[in-house]
Amino acid sequence: SQQGEEDPQALSIQEGENATMNCSYKTSINNLQWYRQNSGRGLVHLILIRSNEREKHSGRLRVTLDTSKKSSSLLITASRAADTASYFCATAPFNNAGNMLTFGGGTRLMVKP
Amino acid sequence: DSGVTQTPKHLITATGQRVTLRCSPRSGDLSVYWYQQSLDQGLQFLIQYYNGEERAKGNILERFSAQQFPDLHSELNLSSLELGDSALYFCASSPGGTAYGYTFGSGTRLTVV
Repeated sequence: SQQGEEDPQALSIQEGENATMNCSYKTSINNLQWYRQNSGRGLVHLILIRSNEREKHSGRLRVTLDTSKKSSSLLITASRAADTASYFCATAPFNNAGNMLTFGGGTRLMVKP
Repeated sequence: DSGVTQTPKHLITATGQRVTLRCSPRSGDLSVYWYQQSLDQGLQFLIQYYNGEERAKGNILERFSAQQFPDLHSELNLSSLELGDSALYFCASSPGGTAYGYTFGSGTRLTVV
């Protein structure tokens, strides 16, 4: 079963535009992570935000976390064609119960040059 | 190169057969995780090992088994293969639990015919 659900499932934008992806989850978490996957390749860790953090930045990435709404968003600013990929949120359960990340279904982002 | 090595990259086999997938974690990482990625099920957690011991089990079929060896490499054994087992199988490693991001290998694409 999936803990996180991304929205939208697919997103198509022009190069230079911003892309926003949302993730909702169901149970209490220790942290939430975002990963990128290029077609058929392994996932790449982008950013981790802890449950006591509200916002985090890494280069062109901005992640927010609202634990009261059990939701997170990933913003990619000034998108590039190379950002075309699937993006997944993953949740680490509170107190490390289960001790593994649970991944959502992903958002497929296409950035047109 | 992520530092996590998975072999083989591709595997085509017949129904009823048995295969072994191999994973070498990133240097220094003690935890190894196996995930199955299919189009209809997304990324499903199978099993986790930490320093040679099984730590968590997910939706792993009884036909599947895994182990982690003293040198920390791990093997996932899939037996009595069915068409529905066709998927991408990923190994990921981390220094410990979910407080860290995972480093994924490039995966093994299994096709059962």
